[in-house]
Amino acid sequence: NAGVMQNPRHLVRRRGQEARLRCSPMKGHSHVYWYRQLPEEGLKFMVYLQKENIIDESGMPKERFSAEFPKEGPSILRIQQVVRGDSAAYFCASSPRLAGGQETQYFGPGTRLLVL
Amino acid sequence: QKEVEQNSGPLSVPEGAIASLNCTYSDRGSQSFFWYRQYSGKSPELIMFIYSNGDKEDGRFTAQLNKASQYVSLLIRDSQPSDSATYLCAVPLPSNTGKLIFGQGTTLQVKP
Repeated sequence: NAGVMQNPRHLVRRRGQEARLRCSPMKGHSHVYWYRQLPEEGLKFMVYLQKENIIDESGMPKERFSAEFPKEGPSILRIQQVVRGDSAAYFCASSPRLAGGQETQYFGPGTRLLVL
Repeated sequence: QKEVEQNSGPLSVPEGAIASLNCTYSDRGSQSFFWYRQYSGKSPELIMFIYSNGDKEDGRFTAQLNKASQYVSLLIRDSQPSDSATYLCAVPLPSNTGKLIFGQGTTLQVKP
């Protein structure tokens, strides 16, 4: 049973370009979460999605960031017009269902984004 | 007060000793608590979760929860150098949601 998959594992972009990060949840998991970890900082929640729905995007920056989880295919975190401050590790996690907040989240290997 | 707080460390223990990692949280309504381990440059790996007051043991790891005092701890018995990592405490906040709030993490160093 494959775990959470993320690609690419490393992504280099120049300022002003777009970054697209992909996440395929574990088989049987329908909930996807994105977290960001800035250098030397903790993990910060960004967004929580179910298939075709954004459930909680309270951690997403208001501009340039968007996320989707279509009916078919992986979840996508999109960053437009990247700036150097976007350089970070972006982790995706998935869980099978939400039962009173007690479902465990399993993390993918992350995408390390470097903005030059 | 931060929502989830941990002492960043580093916490240094000799090999074979017990390592004790602590975490406090702000929401009295929190129901579930998670401990993740993160090696440098790697992703968080779930170690344990605990829902009920008291102790939960899994191998060399024991999670302890005290809801009245709003703290949760992780004990690692017979610490090994391979346990050297950052340990992250995570709490769904608001409670009963999928949004995990992580503490800053405690760096553990186990010296041979």
